[in-house]
This record gives sequence, structure tokens and C-alpha cells, in this order.
Amino acid sequence: DTEVTQTPKHLVMGMTNKKSLKCEQHMGHRAMYWYKQKAKKPPELMFVYSYEKLSINESVPSRFSPECPNSSLLNLHLHALQPEDSALYLCASSPMTEINSGANVLTFGAGSRLTVL
Amino acid sequence: GQNIDQPTEMTATEGAIVQINCTYQTSGFNGLFWYQQHAGEAPTFLSYNVLDGLEEKGRFSSFLSRSKGYSYLLLKELQMKDSASYLCAVKDSNYQLIWGAGTKLIIKP
Repeated sequence: DTEVTQTPKHLVMGMTNKKSLKCEQHMGHRAMYWYKQKAKKPPELMFVYSYEKLSINESVPSRFSPECPNSSLLNLHLHALQPEDSALYLCASSPMTEINSGANVLTFGAGSRLTVL
Repeated sequence: GQNIDQPTEMTATEGAIVQINCTYQTSGFNGLFWYQQHAGEAPTFLSYNVLDGLEEKGRFSSFLSRSKGYSYLLLKELQMKDSASYLCAVKDSNYQLIWGAGTKLIIKP
């Protein structure tokens, strides 16, 4: 299995809703990432988990709450979002053994397209 | 600041060759990646360069010049399915990926 699976593919939510994005990989990768991507923009790093522990939080607002229940799963809990949070949310994973080497290739999921009304 | 520059959009003809350039100014350098992203899909890894020179992988090649802060992705024998965005990303001294905004490549018959 060489895939990163994300659900749901599309999500529409109101500003008062609570929802979650889910990500799963079975490649044995020990680093997992959340990125946010706006149209015609590069991916912006949000969070990095290494060995199920949060290692990087790029000053993301608290209305986004990540969770890594185990080495295969990564969730992003959403609460009280704003319309400007509408974007494609990408999950990625990489081999932990290469985290501090150059060739730490990210494998991305297809993304969850979020629309906040 | 850190910066990656790529052309916003390029157009090429099916069967032809196209070169997509990427210039970077980053705090340190630990490798350069090229990813392909079709509209609405995940970015997929194409190539990685850490030493100067050309890396060839089938129809795709990637070149790096660290002294010039410059890379290019060369696509040969273009096919319609090559229509996509091509993202250049550099790993800086902290091993963080700095992404370019991507180049949208349009292939015409």
C-alpha cells in the first residue's frame, strides 16, 4: 500500500459547526503532515507529527486542532472556522528515518476540499 | 526572507519539449524537489536534486546549480496528460520545505 487516504473529499460547514478531517497511511511512515493549499498557491505547512508526537505547529489558529491517535492515523479537528479557512487540506507522510536528511520524500493524499459558509 | 520563483504559466505543444525554471534564495540548502499536481489532486513526487548536475528519469529530467540557486525541470515528448502544475520546493538549513507557487503547464494538441 503506497497511498495516503483522506476523508472526506469534500466538506461544507458553517462557522459554528464542528467537523474532522481524517488521514490514513499504511506505509510505515512515522512522520505525518497537514498542509493547507489555496487555489494557485503552494501548500502551506500547518502541523508535523513525528512518532505520533506534535513536532511542528506553524502558528496555526486554535480553531484547528490536530490529533495523531496512532502511527497510521492523523486527524484535523475543525471548530468555529472562518470563510477564509476554505481551502484544500492535504495530508502527507514521509519515512521518519529520513526526517533530517535531504531526500525525505512526501507522499500526499488527494486532499479534503473544505468550504466554510 | 526565503523565496522560490517559478513562472506562473507555460504553454507547450504535444510532442515537444518544455523547460520549467526555478530560482531560489533560502537560508541554507538541503535539496530541491519537483512535484507534479493535477487539478484537484495530490502533489506527486517527480525528482530530487542535492548535487549539481542533471538527473534523468524517463521523459523527465531535473537539473541543479547550487552556485546559481537555479533548477529546471525538462519534460520531453510532451503528452496531454502532462498538463498540470509543477511545484518546485527547497529544503532549507532546518530541513523545512519551502515551496514555490507552482507553474501551470498547458499542453495543446
